[in-house]
Amino acid sequence: SQQGEEDPQALSIQEGENATMNCSYKTSINNLQWYRQNSGRGLVHLILIRSNEREKHSGRLRVTLDTSKKSSSLLITASRAADTASYFCATLRGSSASKIIFGSGTRLSIRP
Amino acid sequence: GAVVSQHPSRVICKSGTSVKIECRSLDFQATTMFWYRQFPKKSLMLMATSNEGSKATYEQGVEKDKFLINHASLTLSTLTVTSAHPEDSSFYICSAREGTGGYSNQPQHFGDGTRLSIL
Repeated sequence: SQQGEEDPQALSIQEGENATMNCSYKTSINNLQWYRQNSGRGLVHLILIRSNEREKHSGRLRVTLDTSKKSSSLLITASRAADTASYFCATLRGSSASKIIFGSGTRLSIRP
Repeated sequence: GAVVSQHPSRVICKSGTSVKIECRSLDFQATTMFWYRQFPKKSLMLMATSNEGSKATYEQGVEKDKFLINHASLTLSTLTVTSAHPEDSSFYICSAREGTGGYSNQPQHFGDGTRLSIL
């Protein structure tokens, strides 16, 4: 399978709460990326964390990376209705790490 | 910021028709573009890597003769679904990588996708 695993597959929370999504992967990586996809649209790059980094912040987003466990998490703090989307982690594969391969994704719904 | 334009956004056509989808990088040159397929509520599956001036590299299980890819210029790649059938109905997304070489930290920009429906 191309995909890594993400959990949960779906998450529904109240507006204002924090949302945490997890991603596991199988191969060694140079970096791991998180993307967002609104329904029926393309993907938007959110954040990239390098393999020598353990944590990275961008606005309300916080990403952690544990290379020993081959896992990453994305935390969205103080969620808003506009955060409703699918979120995917992605790693590079193939010769020269040239291909982006996506995890299975988490569908996040924020209840107003 | 960098923009990738994908056209058309939606196609509905009869079984047996061939459908061409275009992917353009609007303000940067992309020697490499990627084509993905996405089923409802599923992740993106990489179909093929499109390389300017050379043949595309297809992922295992993707039919080359069914999904024809042409990357004739540094800003345009096309995916043609030949003799489309209902099972080809899906959401197709392209992406383009800025620059050449040193891939690991080059940003990749995505089109807004094409929803293909074969009746």
